Amino acid sequence: GAGVSQTPSNKVTEKGKYVELRCDPISGHTALYWYRQSLGQGPEFLIYFQGTGAADDSGLPNDRFFAVRPEGSVSTLKIQRTERGDSAVYLCASSLEQGLPLHFGNGTRLTVT
Amino acid sequence: RKEVEQDPGPFNVPEGATVAFNCTYSNSASQSFFWYRQDCRKEPKLLMSVYSSGNEDGRFTAQLNRASQYISLLIRDSKLSDSATYLCVVNMDGEGTYKYIFGTGTRLKVLA
Repeated sequence: GAGVSQTPSNKVTEKGKYVELRCDPISGHTALYWYRQSLGQGPEFLIYFQGTGAADDSGLPNDRFFAVRPEGSVSTLKIQRTERGDSAVYLCASSLEQGLPLHFGNGTRLTVT
Repeated sequence: RKEVEQDPGPFNVPEGATVAFNCTYSNSASQSFFWYRQDCRKEPKLLMSVYSSGNEDGRFTAQLNRASQYISLLIRDSKLSDSATYLCVVNMDGEGTYKYIFGTGTRLKVLA
């Protein structure tokens, strides 16, 4: 079956612009997680969903970051007024249910110029 | 104190060597533990889950020490293909959340 799919794979944007990153989890996986990873660091937790609701958004760095999962499947991570410091690889992962291992997508490499 | 801590390395070892990594975690209520492997510019991939009794998968052995709040990964008979970053992951159960926290990763280079 299909794995976790993330689009786009690369995104270059100018400082101050708005971007949306999309994640399509494995079918039937109820939990969906967003991370970002900078070079030489481990993935940094941003937010996770259980079904349609954000169960824990404590990792979102500020109010420029927002994520939704309206139908409990596809999720979109939205970043407003992008800054150069937002440049990173944004990883999405899903799991069959909370507590089980995560399955990652290939990531979206975001570059803010 | 960081929630999950790992020695970033790098660990440079010859082929055939045995190497061990430790990872400490801060939340005593954590229930789920994993080791992931990440190759350069790729996504993390599950290597193994870590159970209370410890578990083994071929050349890889993972153990959990709840009293001291650490998990370990042992790799025997290292292969060149084992060169990667090994990420420790702890699920922050018990605080009304199930977020997974990653360590910074330990880099391993197996040398010919």
